[in-house]
Amino acid sequence: AQKVTQAQTEISVVEKEDVTLDCVYETRDTTYYLFWYKQPPSGELVFLIRRNSFDEQNEISGRYSWNFQKSTSSFNFTITASQVVDSAVYFCALSEVGGGFKTIFGAGTRLFVKA
Amino acid sequence: GAGVSQSPSNKVTEKGKDVELRCDPISGHTALYWYRQSLGQGLEFLIYFQGNSAPDKSGLPSDRFSAERTGGSVSTLTIQRTQQEDSAVYLCASSLRRRSSYNEQFFGPGTRLTVL
Repeated sequence: AQKVTQAQTEISVVEKEDVTLDCVYETRDTTYYLFWYKQPPSGELVFLIRRNSFDEQNEISGRYSWNFQKSTSSFNFTITASQVVDSAVYFCALSEVGGGFKTIFGAGTRLFVKA
Repeated sequence: GAGVSQSPSNKVTEKGKDVELRCDPISGHTALYWYRQSLGQGLEFLIYFQGNSAPDKSGLPSDRFSAERTGGSVSTLTIQRTQQEDSAVYLCASSLRRRSSYNEQFFGPGTRLTVL
């Protein structure tokens, strides 16, 4: 069965601090996809990144970076030099190829970045 | 181009009434999802449509919930005999589903349902 755990419910940082959002997943499938989405205060979820299970290469996009480790079933997200505009709820999600096409989302981590 | 649109944006109804929520996906997107997000909670999968295939209804919480997708485009989520616990934001998403590939989902703004 699919499961996504985001243990951090809320994180509060001061602007310019680095912050890491944790995501741990469970799956029996060997082929799966992992995602991160951002939900700003305006409400609409925005896609950030997708990773498939065969690609463990870490990725950096500007101030954002993702660390995918199959050995620990984790797909953590780091924001470097956080900014107030990064304040949002961040969701990690998992789709198993063998589990139909539904996507299971974690409970989300609410990030507050204070000026 | 237009994104995913949902209507109404807000719906207040009385317990026991039926409601219909509408989703217009991005043109050309073959996959359509419905989720429910309760206050301060994560997203709960409800149902998934892909092309002409039978929908995955495994997330529907009860038989009061149903959804259809007409012509492979617009979708309607219907909740019959609404209960107060149905109060939530209902989100629709669409994606360009390719064979053996999971593409990102594009979300609509949601419909906030309040059952009094």
